[in-house]
Amino acid sequence: AQSVTQLDSQVPVFEEAPVELRCNYSSSVSVYLFWYVQYPNQGLQLLLKYLSGSTLVKGINGFEAEFNKSQTSFHLRKPSVHISDTAEYFCAVSRDYGGSQGNLIFGKGTKLSVKP
Amino acid sequence: DGGITQSPKYLFRKEGQNVTLSCEQNLNHDAMYWYRQDPGQGLRLIYYSQIVNDFQKGDIAEGYSVSREKKESFPLTVTSAQKNPTAFYLCASSWQKGGNEQYFGPGTRLTVT
Repeated sequence: AQSVTQLDSQVPVFEEAPVELRCNYSSSVSVYLFWYVQYPNQGLQLLLKYLSGSTLVKGINGFEAEFNKSQTSFHLRKPSVHISDTAEYFCAVSRDYGGSQGNLIFGKGTKLSVKP
Repeated sequence: DGGITQSPKYLFRKEGQNVTLSCEQNLNHDAMYWYRQDPGQGLRLIYYSQIVNDFQKGDIAEGYSVSREKKESFPLTVTSAQKNPTAFYLCASSWQKGGNEQYFGPGTRLTVT
């Protein structure tokens, strides 16, 4: 069965430091990959997505992610974080069976806490 | 402005009562989804609909029901059969094609006592 594993449930980091949020997935076929961000008591907002092509994907707010097919990973990175990046981040993968195109499987989330 | 609206933002109900959560979108998306979010659990799919008058069970459909009578509306009813209904509920929509991202509403926090 498909799954998405976010390896860290919480990541504390100081302001202006780099950060990496890790995501691994399992699937027997090619998939689409997404990162979403959620601020407290709000819905999810798309940060970036990988569909095909270049394995380095750039998103909003200075975030980027790298797709690594051999390691089935899609880690999210930012070279210098701000206090405003404090939020929960979700990795998601498209379901790989017919009839459910567009459905996503989400990881359990990583809470990023940026300290001054 | 195009987007997804969910109402109300907060909802309180007594145990044993059915409650309906509203979800409306004006993005002209074909597909709509309902998720449940619990702390540390990520998002779990309750129901989804790819076309009007058709919907499919997700991973945790027991105790929930939906309808899709109009393209822009996908209400979710939490029935008294749902054993643990207190949660944050998120509605989303997308084009009916793999690879297109889902757009999310602001969510409804349901508390049942």
